[in-house]
Amino acid sequence: GAGVSQSPSNKVTEKGKDVELRCDPISGHTALYWYRQSLGQGLEFLIYFQGNSAPDKSGLPSDRFSAERTGGSVSTLTIQRTQQEDSAVYLCASGGGTNYNEQFFGPGTRLTVL
Amino acid sequence: SQQGEEDPQALSIQEGENATMNCSYKTSINNLQWYRQNSGRGLVHLILIRSNEREKHSGRLRVTLDTSKKSSSLLITASRAADTASYFCATGYNNNDMRFGAGTRLTVKP
Repeated sequence: GAGVSQSPSNKVTEKGKDVELRCDPISGHTALYWYRQSLGQGLEFLIYFQGNSAPDKSGLPSDRFSAERTGGSVSTLTIQRTQQEDSAVYLCASGGGTNYNEQFFGPGTRLTVL
Repeated sequence: SQQGEEDPQALSIQEGENATMNCSYKTSINNLQWYRQNSGRGLVHLILIRSNEREKHSGRLRVTLDTSKKSSSLLITASRAADTASYFCATGYNNNDMRFGAGTRLTVKP
């Protein structure tokens, strides 16, 4: 595809509900990253994938957060039993293409937990 | 921590002035990159400097890297109002691992 896409662009949910956020990376990119950004704050690293495996899951805030990547392509970030403090913009990026290490970001999913 | 730390957290200058932002890190890196974020959504890659390089230029951007001090700087010359944004440094490691700092919020006043 032309770039990294994420869906949905906005998600409003009630506290306690589960949400799934999707990321479609640039075709051929081996690495995929998830970050979280609260309003006016920096990027908080969550997890990254090299292929389908996640060498580092240390950024996931709690066991309510999980992520998977299938076929070395699409990734899903799942948040179970959402809490108000989960409200943020969730950014996905892919990399490892011809310009090794440069990350290409998607537009993000703005999650609001009421 | 593997992530870089930007300094200052916020910077306000007049149009035409130069802006300098710094990034420090603690562990050895493969490369260091600078990104810009305009709208609180996706980030845009500006420039990458490898660990064996000391300086790179791209248009009005100049990046330096001092691996002995584990620090980098981003200089924007002749700033414009359109340069107003948040700027992040990202430290890159082998196997595509990368970590971002908290960013510097730059405001360029017309």
